Amino acid sequence: EAGVAQSPRYKIIEKRQSVAFWCNPISGHATLYWYQQILGQGPKLLIQFQNNGVVDDSQLPKDRFSAERLKGVDSTLKIQPAKLEDSAVYLCASSPAVIGTGELFFGEGSRLTVL
Amino acid sequence: GESVGLHLPTLSVQEGDNSIINCAYSNSASDYFIWYKQESGKGPQFIIDIRSNMDKRQGQRVTVLLNKTVKHLSLQIAATQPGDSAVYFCAEKLGAQKLVFGQGTRLTINP
Repeated sequence: EAGVAQSPRYKIIEKRQSVAFWCNPISGHATLYWYQQILGQGPKLLIQFQNNGVVDDSQLPKDRFSAERLKGVDSTLKIQPAKLEDSAVYLCASSPAVIGTGELFFGEGSRLTVL
Repeated sequence: GESVGLHLPTLSVQEGDNSIINCAYSNSASDYFIWYKQESGKGPQFIIDIRSNMDKRQGQRVTVLLNKTVKHLSLQIAATQPGDSAVYFCAEKLGAQKLVFGQGTRLTINP
């Protein structure tokens, strides 16, 4: 079974530029998540989708971050304009269940460096 | 508020010894507690979970203990191997699959 696919793996941009990350979840998984992981910290949830609807985006900085999951399959996360503090690994995860035990399947992440 | 934390940022053990990684949580409403392993350059990987109405659960070489009285969670790894080197995160599940992660403990194995 193919895992969660993310691209690009690495991205370096200057502050005030924009960037987009793409995620393809495991086939059939209804729930998709974007997490931000700053170096040395645990992942922090940015947004959670169920199919193509948003379940939780309470911690998404909506003035600069946006995410969509058209057709309920793959998803994109955009940052515009980027700030230095956005340097982090952006992790996508998926889950087959809406209510489960907390087992999420993570991709390898997209590492963003903002200069 | 929502917070999950760890007692120690790093843990170093001898190969073959048992490892114990600790975690404190603050939210009594969590229905599941989960341990994830994150190797360098990879995403977190699910290890084991425990429901809030249990106090112990065993897996292959791993045991999770939950003490709700003091809001403490631990992960025990038996006969630690070099492949166990990673950062371990505890997480608590709030509501429908919303996870709150702790800061992580880096486990290193000495030969």
